Amino acid sequence: VQMTQSPSYLAASPGESVSISCKASKSISNNLAWYQEKPGKANKLLIHSGSTLQSGTPSRFSGSGSGTDFTLTIRSLESEDFAVYYCQQYNEYPDTFGAGTKLELK
Amino acid sequence: QVKLLQSGAALVKPGASVKMSCKASGYTFTDYWVSWVKQSHGKSLEWIGEIYPNSGATNFNEKFKGKATLTVDKSTSTAYMELSRLTSEDSAIYYCTRPYYGSYDYWGQGVMVTVSS
Repeated sequence: VQMTQSPSYLAASPGESVSISCKASKSISNNLAWYQEKPGKANKLLIHSGSTLQSGTPSRFSGSGSGTDFTLTIRSLESEDFAVYYCQQYNEYPDTFGAGTKLELK
Repeated sequence: QVKLLQSGAALVKPGASVKMSCKASGYTFTDYWVSWVKQSHGKSLEWIGEIYPNSGATNFNEKFKGKATLTVDKSTSTAYMELSRLTSEDSAIYYCTRPYYGSYDYWGQGVMVTVSS
């Protein structure tokens, strides 16, 4: 399953809201996760099952979608949110990941 | 708390092999699969395969069959991945992860492997 993530880069300011899209090449039900990657830190699972926040994920993060189209939304950006975000489908082997979205400070 | 502590960076010659480790702590090692993920420089993530420590059962991405060998040592709660016949295409960061209903809830810090003569 190919995962197409967009945009590749996104510039925003603290306090703004942003959305990242992830499209699957075929239906994956809601078997989608979102991760955050930051330098020097282990990757962090933010959301699984399309919209379920992992324990410890701030409520300003939300996930939506099912089937082929998914969105990660971050409301009221904080400085710690500037990072790279990846989506991952786990509906069928092998798991596949999107190419990533780098969220940068404007 | 759950931790996956990976071994250090490796510089290896083309054609050689490399074996890396992932020591788990904070949970019952034999209760969870361990997966391995590759991140090539500037690129996205690829799932390599997984191993179930309790039985040694493995599953692989077809792309990595014959390239990666997964093993565990239950006595030390450590998972290992060996990569063979290394080429420049194998230069990457390799992560061990703990699957959680298909997603991965814990990640190691990654091992950078550089293949160079």
